[in-house]
Amino acid sequence: AQSVTQLGSHVSVSEGALVLLRCNYSSSVPPYLFWYVQYPNQGLQLLLKYTSAATLVKGINGFEAEFKKSETSFHLTKPSAHMSDAAEYFCAVSDLMWGTSYGKLTFGQGTILTVHP
Amino acid sequence: NAGVTQTPKFQVLKTGQSMTLQCAQDMNHEYMSWYRQDPGMGLRLIHYSVGAGITDQGEVPNGYNVSRSTTEDFPLRLLSAAPSQTSVYFCASSYGTGTGANVLTFGAGSRLTVL
Repeated sequence: AQSVTQLGSHVSVSEGALVLLRCNYSSSVPPYLFWYVQYPNQGLQLLLKYTSAATLVKGINGFEAEFKKSETSFHLTKPSAHMSDAAEYFCAVSDLMWGTSYGKLTFGQGTILTVHP
Repeated sequence: NAGVTQTPKFQVLKTGQSMTLQCAQDMNHEYMSWYRQDPGMGLRLIHYSVGAGITDQGEVPNGYNVSRSTTEDFPLRLLSAAPSQTSVYFCASSYGTGTGANVLTFGAGSRLTVL
């Protein structure tokens, strides 16, 4: 079965500082990987996705993530944090055993990002 | 487009009561799923559906029932509520193949408290 580990349940940065949210996955086959973001009292929305076309993936709001197969990692970064980035971020992997996987994702535990002025 | 609509947004139940969380999508998506979100545990899949009349269990299905009679609706039924089912529930939908099938559109969530 797939699994996802997010290192650090809380990350705090100053506005303008680098954001780094860590995600490691376990998978016996090349996975599809995703980052979702959840703003307070809202559902999740897609930030970016890895589809094997390129190892560096750019998403919305200036975020990007790099797929490193040797490290089984898919860390999320943003060069300069903004107050509006404060949210909870989830890394997720798809279960490809069933072909398209039908929207069945395995999520990490989540990382709450706090941005200080 | 409304996207994915969940009702109710908040609900308080007593142990042993039953209820149904409603989920409707207006995007003609094939796939629908229910997740529960608990602090420190991320989201866990309860049940999912690949089309009208077809459902299957996810990671944590015990105590929940689903059915899908139409493409649009995917209700989640709690048969006999327990305090362990206190959680935030999210309905999601998607369509297509490959990564498209995993780009989920989420509802706003239903917060359930079982006393």
